[in-house]
Parts: sequence; structure tokens; C-alpha cells
Amino acid sequence: TQLLEQSPQFLSIQEGENLTVYCNSSSVFSSLQWYRQEPGEGPVLLVTVVTGGEVKKLKRLTFQFGDARKDSSLHITAAQPGDTGLYLCAVRYGGSQGNLIFGKGTKLSVKP
Amino acid sequence: GAVVSQHPSWVICKSGTSVKIECRSLDFQATTMFWYRQFPKQSLMLMATSNEGSKATYEQGVEKDKFLINHASLTLSTLTVTSAHPEDSSFYICSATLHAGSYNEQFFGPGTRLTVL
Repeated sequence: TQLLEQSPQFLSIQEGENLTVYCNSSSVFSSLQWYRQEPGEGPVLLVTVVTGGEVKKLKRLTFQFGDARKDSSLHITAAQPGDTGLYLCAVRYGGSQGNLIFGKGTKLSVKP
Repeated sequence: GAVVSQHPSWVICKSGTSVKIECRSLDFQATTMFWYRQFPKQSLMLMATSNEGSKATYEQGVEKDKFLINHASLTLSTLTVTSAHPEDSSFYICSATLHAGSYNEQFFGPGTRLTVL
């Protein structure tokens, strides 16, 4: 059973469109992270959310942590080709010192 | 931000040979490093936790005798894939944990693409 379920698995959109991707679980977490990974490279941390209901903005990216700290969403406004990549959510399993566990990711393709 | 490097970035080897991959934290010390494996179109799967000065902790299903991990210093961990076979072909990514008080953040290396012929 996958600890984190990400949806959609694939998303292909045109430049300028908005999109939302989701990360869901039945477990409660003290924090959740979003990463972006480009082909042939390691993942790069985008944000960490720690408080239920928290909203963080990073330019055109808006991250929200669910009130119950079981799920999170990433919304991208006016997507650009440079946003193309694999978006991964991750949580620490087993407390703040636990191992980082990743979801399967959403592969986003933004066409010019 | 902190930088983690990996060497080599890609390697092609013959079946049956061994391959060593290095992971270095360039501007910080890391008592803990992690090794992940990522197959095409899949997410990162944790293989093992590398602890400086002690034995690595392997995840279930990962053969410790096949994937040898050595964390000899606070800035270097190595993963050796012994007697590699084509099914070991994958993208291997390491990460290192930066501890700053109660705050911990993992920084990832750029990955090593291993192809076993």
C-alpha cells in the first residue's frame, strides 16, 4: 500500500493554463514537502508545510496543507514550459527523524 | 543552499562487474546520508541509510551484500553495486541531511545513471 497517493499521475497542458496536483494519505503527518525533479537530475525541495491549513506561495506556485495534515495540494498559475518536471510530495515516516518517503509523483508537461 | 555531489554522473558496465558511486556533501558535514533508486517513470525508493562510522541500515528487500555502503567520513558515502546485472540498471540518487538545531533538511545529489550491459 502506497503511503502517499499523488494525482494525477500525468498532466499535459498548454502554456498559460492553471493546474492543481494532489497528494493524499490516510495518515497524519507533522510536515510534508514538495519537490520538483527534472529528467536526469535529483529532486529539488520547493517547500515544507508544517501547520494544518497552511498556505505557502512561491511565485506562481501555491502550496496548501490540509487542515487534518493528511493531504496537500500544489496549484500552479499560468504554467510555463519551465514548470515541466516531476512533482513529488514526501513525508518523514516515523517522526521528525524518520526516513523521507516519496509519493509516485505527477509528471507535468507544459507545451509552449 | 547546501550542495551534494555524485560521481560519476553516469556509468556503463558489463554484467558481473562492480561499480562504485560516490556521494559528497560539499559544504556541510552529514552524519547521515541516504541512497535511493529510481526506475524509469517511477518515484524514488529508499534503499539504505548510511551512518558515519557505523553500519548502514538497509530497507526491506535490499540485499546488503550486493549494495555495499561505506560512510567513511562526514562528507563522503559510497555505494558499490557488486556483480552488477542488467536489472540493476537504474538512476541512483543520494541525499545528505543538514542538521541545524531542531531543523533537518535533506539535500539531494544530481544522481548517477547506471547501465549494466
